[in-house]
Amino acid sequence: AQSVTQPDIHITVSEGASLELRCNYSYGATPYLFWYVQSPGQGLQLLLKYFSGDTLVQGIKGFEAEFKRSQSSFNLRKPSVHWSDAAEYFCAVGPNTGFQKLVFGTGTRLLVSP
Amino acid sequence: DVKVTQSSRYLVKRTGEKVFLECVQDMDHENMFWYRQDPGLGLRLIYFSYDVKMKEKGDIPEGYSVSREKKERFSLILESASTNQTSMYLCASSKGSYNSPLHFGNGTRLTVT
Repeated sequence: AQSVTQPDIHITVSEGASLELRCNYSYGATPYLFWYVQSPGQGLQLLLKYFSGDTLVQGIKGFEAEFKRSQSSFNLRKPSVHWSDAAEYFCAVGPNTGFQKLVFGTGTRLLVSP
Repeated sequence: DVKVTQSSRYLVKRTGEKVFLECVQDMDHENMFWYRQDPGLGLRLIYFSYDVKMKEKGDIPEGYSVSREKKERFSLILESASTNQTSMYLCASSKGSYNSPLHFGNGTRLTVT
């Protein structure tokens, strides 16, 4: 069965520092991979997605993620964090054919210190 | 911009009550979803629908039902609310193609007392 693991429940980063959020997935075929962000009191917003091709994908708000098949990972990165990036981040995996039914990780809450 | 609107932001209900959570999307999306979000558990899929009057069980359908009479509206029904259904409920929609991202509403925080 497909699954997503986000090993870090909370991460604290200083403003201006770089960020990497980890995501590992288990999936029987080539997956579609997504990162979503949830700001307090809001629904989830799509940051970026990977379907095929270049394994480094760019998203909104200066985020990027790299698909590494050999490590079953899809880590999210940002070179310089802003206070407004404080939110909860969810990684998700879905099938590359057929109906889109996503499986989400448990989320990583990002705290940004001044 | 796609807009997914959930009718209530906060809801407080008593045990045993029948509860309706409503969701409306304005972008003519084929697919609609109901998720439940709990701390430490992430998002879990309750039900989804890929067409009017069609519904499929997700991973945790027990205690819930859904209705989709019109394309833009997807309702989640708790037939007899229980305290373990206290949670944040998120509605989402997407186009029919398999690589379309989900668009989420802002959620309904339901408390069952």
